[in-house]
Amino acid sequence: GENVEQHPSTLSVQEGDSAVIKCTYSDSASNYFPWYKQELGKGPQLIIDIRSNVGEKKDQRIAVTLNKTAKHFSLHITETQPEDSAVYFCAATFTSGTYKYIFGTGTRLKVLA
Amino acid sequence: GAVVSQHPSRVICKSGTSVKIECRSLDFQATTMFWYRQFPKQSLMLMATSNEGSKATYEQGVEKDKFLINHASLTLSTLTVTSAHPEDSSFYICSARKERLTNEKLFFGSGTQLSVL
Repeated sequence: GENVEQHPSTLSVQEGDSAVIKCTYSDSASNYFPWYKQELGKGPQLIIDIRSNVGEKKDQRIAVTLNKTAKHFSLHITETQPEDSAVYFCAATFTSGTYKYIFGTGTRLKVLA
Repeated sequence: GAVVSQHPSRVICKSGTSVKIECRSLDFQATTMFWYRQFPKQSLMLMATSNEGSKATYEQGVEKDKFLINHASLTLSTLTVTSAHPEDSSFYICSARKERLTNEKLFFGSGTQLSVL
């Protein structure tokens, strides 16, 4: 079935430390994997994405890695800051039937000052 | 950039009334828009895929007659919650796929908090 699992559900780190969030997906045909940051009462914001032909992508303090064989991808945030505190969602595209984006269950990240 | 505008941001209505939510892509054309529903502290659940000029594709368990979707133009999709009841209270979020060559980026509106009394 179409499924994206995300861990951990909550994560607390000290300011300046790194945070890692992991996701696994069920469909080997999935080829696009975005990460979103959602603040309370707002819509998700795209922070980084990766396509299946790339193993790693970095944008300043944020990086995403993809292991297609194992069907998992991870978000890495380095030098965390209090403003990084939010809920983070991973997603994967599924192409059986209609093209759709399925989201993970979310990770509530808290950066402690 | 890619901006998706969603209105209203918050609506309170009486049970039995219908509520329309608009989703607009402001600076790009979106042949495909998606509607999600989100309960507190939970993930985004896909309700339906809206394609310009054709009928929406609904996910299993989503009532087509309850959640009417119209995608009349390349920049506008609407979701109408018909005969709303308290159990329909939720955060509804639209998203638009920015398509250019193989660009699959998905951008979200700011969401609509629906409260049915």
